Amino acid sequence: GAVVSQHPSWVICKSGTSVKIECRSLDFQATTMFWYRQFPKQSLMLMATSNEGSKATYEQGVEKDKFLINHASLTLSTLTVTSAHPEDSSFYICSARDRRAEAFFGQGTRLTV
Amino acid sequence: GNSVTQMEGPVTLSEEAFLTINCTYTATGYPSLFWYVQYPGEGLQLLLKATKADDKGSNKGFEATYRKETTSFHLEKGSVQVSDSAVYFCALSDQGSGNTPLVFGKGTRLSVIA
Repeated sequence: GAVVSQHPSWVICKSGTSVKIECRSLDFQATTMFWYRQFPKQSLMLMATSNEGSKATYEQGVEKDKFLINHASLTLSTLTVTSAHPEDSSFYICSARDRRAEAFFGQGTRLTV
Repeated sequence: GNSVTQMEGPVTLSEEAFLTINCTYTATGYPSLFWYVQYPGEGLQLLLKATKADDKGSNKGFEATYRKETTSFHLEKGSVQVSDSAVYFCALSDQGSGNTPLVFGKGTRLSVIA
């Protein structure tokens, strides 16, 4: 089946630094990828929809200048958490849907600030 | 808009017990329905799916039937194992649309004790 690879799986950074998370679709092209945030023991919260070659669409309440999304190719989307602070600590998950519209998820990235 | 409601956990069962996790949905049109499983510290894995009414998805002993009349997609397993301990998410998607995200329920945490 299709695979979505997310990297890194965990990262610890100092407050004020930026962290980049990569999401790759390994064997299919994904014109659209999705970024979710998951708080402990809670469901996934959609942050933004990443569109190849165009600007991402952010959900209400998500700061686009804080969470920069770039989807430069059909197989790669990146999420950069800029000037990270402890409240940004969370589990971030990316997802992509293939030609059959089936959704595949990355392994997740645990960010600790 | 579309929404998914699933039973709140946590659910704690003894090994070999019967499992049911309820899921109902609200949607326009004819969505596809999914169950995903998340093991600790990992992303989501597709457990099973159904794309039309009366379809039954099954995998690893888990089953769920797409019931249009009751707008439900309840997850069942006849005999759970300790290794089934995880969080289970019910989700739906618009048919054939790869540009929209899945809509998730809040998740149900299952703990199976030996």
